[in-house]
Formats: sequence, structure tokens, C-alpha cells
Amino acid sequence: AQKITQTQPGMFVQEKEAVTLDCTYDTSDPSYGLFWYKQPSSGEMIFLIYQGSYDQQNATEGRYSLNFQKARKSANLVISASQLGDSAMYFCAMREGHFTGYSTLTFGKGTMLLVSP
Amino acid sequence: NAGVTQTPKFRILKIGQSMTLQCTQDMNHNYMYWYRQDPGMGLKLIYYSVGAGITDKGEVPNGYNVSRSTTEDFPLRLELAAPSQTSVYFCASSYSRLAGTYEQYFGPGTRLTVT
Repeated sequence: AQKITQTQPGMFVQEKEAVTLDCTYDTSDPSYGLFWYKQPSSGEMIFLIYQGSYDQQNATEGRYSLNFQKARKSANLVISASQLGDSAMYFCAMREGHFTGYSTLTFGKGTMLLVSP
Repeated sequence: NAGVTQTPKFRILKIGQSMTLQCTQDMNHNYMYWYRQDPGMGLKLIYYSVGAGITDKGEVPNGYNVSRSTTEDFPLRLELAAPSQTSVYFCASSYSRLAGTYEQYFGPGTRLTVT
């Protein structure tokens, strides 16, 4: 079974609108962390936001927020007020063993977001 | 800080050739990783290291070797290159504290084509 599932191969949004990118995960580890990375066309991987499994509140970083629904095992990325520069591939990733310091990541296949003027 | 640097940026190899992808980080991170990204796919872990002298296999280690003689450097060796190794290779590093975000910092990638 896939550990990280991103069901949306591509998403379109108009500038200034909000968009939600879906991510579901599968783990039996009670302590884990969830990450979102952005990969623009230039190819680099840019860290956006993190949510720990024991965090009580949803993570936010500027225009990015993570809608964490633990019971549903979902960790959707919400981008508010989309900008043209948000056009990129977005990857959800999970690290199991939150408190061990052991930090390999399992990535989803990604969602391509296109922002139109 | 330069962060994580990788060389070369691009390389074309013939089948059966070998090469080493270089990776260096200047953030004094204990953990280092090698991933490959095939077209339209997410990243898959090849090898990782938790410190100098310690390496371990990831999800897709076959056809690759690594070494970690210093904290800063984590080269990836391809022996007998095959077309299936055509991919973009990313090196990454991270902190090793016990709790917290400790996100991975990625290099710019090496685009490798084997023909």
C-alpha cells in the first residue's frame, strides 16, 4: 500500500483564489511528521510547511496552511490568495518515528498546480 | 552558507560507464540522503547516512554505492550505468535533533541520462 497518496495529478486555479491540494497517508506509527515541498520548473525542492502528529493546531506559514485531519489520515495543503509564482509541482511527504531523530522521507507522486491570471 | 551543492548539473553516460555524483553540505548536518526522481514521479530514497562512516540502503539502492568519510561529503557512485538509471538525482541533508521539524534541505539536482 502506498504510504502517501496524492490523488490530483493537476490542479488549476485563478490568481488570488485559494486552492487545496490533497494528501492522504498511511502509517501505524503513532509519531510521524508530514511535510509539503514545492518544486518549481527550475527543479529545486523548497520546503513549505510541516505538521507533527502530536501537534494540536494546524500548521501555518504565511499563505500556506496545512489542514490536518488525523482520524482521516489526511494532510491537505491550502494555499490562500494564489500567485502566478505558485505554479509548480507540490509534493507531500511523511517521516515516521517523529521523536527518534531518524528522518527519511516517503514522498507522494505530486500535484502540478497551474495558476492563471 | 552555500547549503547543499551537487556536481555535475547534467551528465550523459553510455551504458556500462561509471561515474560519481558529488554532494557537499556546509550546514554541519549529520544526516544526508540521496534520492532519485523519475519523470512525473515523486522522490525515491536510494541511500542515506546518519553520520560519517555510517550508511544504509533506502528504497531503491540497486546499482548504486555510497560512502561517507566526512560530515560534509556524501558521494553517490553509479557502476555499470543502465538506461533505467536515467533520472534526476537529489542530495539532501538534515539536522538530527530528537523532536521538531528538522526538514531536509535539498541540493539543486543532477540530471543524468544513460544511453
